Amino acid sequence: GAVVSQHPSWVICKSGTSVKIECRSLDFQATTMFWYRQFPKQSLMLMATSNEGSKATYEQGVEKDKFLINHASLTLSTLTVTSAHPEDSSFYICSASVGLAVYNEQFFGPGTRLTVL
Amino acid sequence: QKEVEQDPGPLSVPEGAIVSLNCTYSNSAFQYFMWYRQYSRKGPELLMYTYSSGNKEDGRFTAQVDKSSKYISLFIRDSQPSDSATYLCAMQYSGNTPLVFGKGTRLSVIA
Repeated sequence: GAVVSQHPSWVICKSGTSVKIECRSLDFQATTMFWYRQFPKQSLMLMATSNEGSKATYEQGVEKDKFLINHASLTLSTLTVTSAHPEDSSFYICSASVGLAVYNEQFFGPGTRLTVL
Repeated sequence: QKEVEQDPGPLSVPEGAIVSLNCTYSNSAFQYFMWYRQYSRKGPELLMYTYSSGNKEDGRFTAQVDKSSKYISLFIRDSQPSDSATYLCAMQYSGNTPLVFGKGTRLSVIA
């Protein structure tokens, strides 16, 4: 199957700093990428949907000025958590799909664990 | 009521047992139904997907969708310790929309 990578796999930062997380589709071009957040023992919650070259669409309750998403190419999307606070500590997972067929499998990255001190 | 309900478990079974995992949902507009497996601190991995109602079998795994009852199931036959993971059901309105996930059921298969 297709491979999606995320970098870094884990990060610890101080409160108030910004953290950038990269999501790459390694062997296919992803027209759409999704960003999810998963708190301990909770399900994955969609944060935003991004299409290459367009502004991301954020889910209700997700602050677009705090979680900056850039989908600059068909193989790379980035999520920047600005002025991170302890409540932003979570597992962030991206997924990517090709988006050409009726059904398009989403391929998930391995996730990034963010801890804000 | 949440869109997708899934008992978080944990569920513990002996090796070789048949495992039954279930989800219910409230929105009849869902058309695609998936089961993902997620190991600790890893991203989800697609096990099976089904379009609309019906059954689908792949090796030891069988997925069932009953749209009239808004109920989906995943059966694992001859369960193995390597099946120990969290199993997430997920649904889509169409093939290009975001996934709506259940909470996940943590399964442990004991040797």
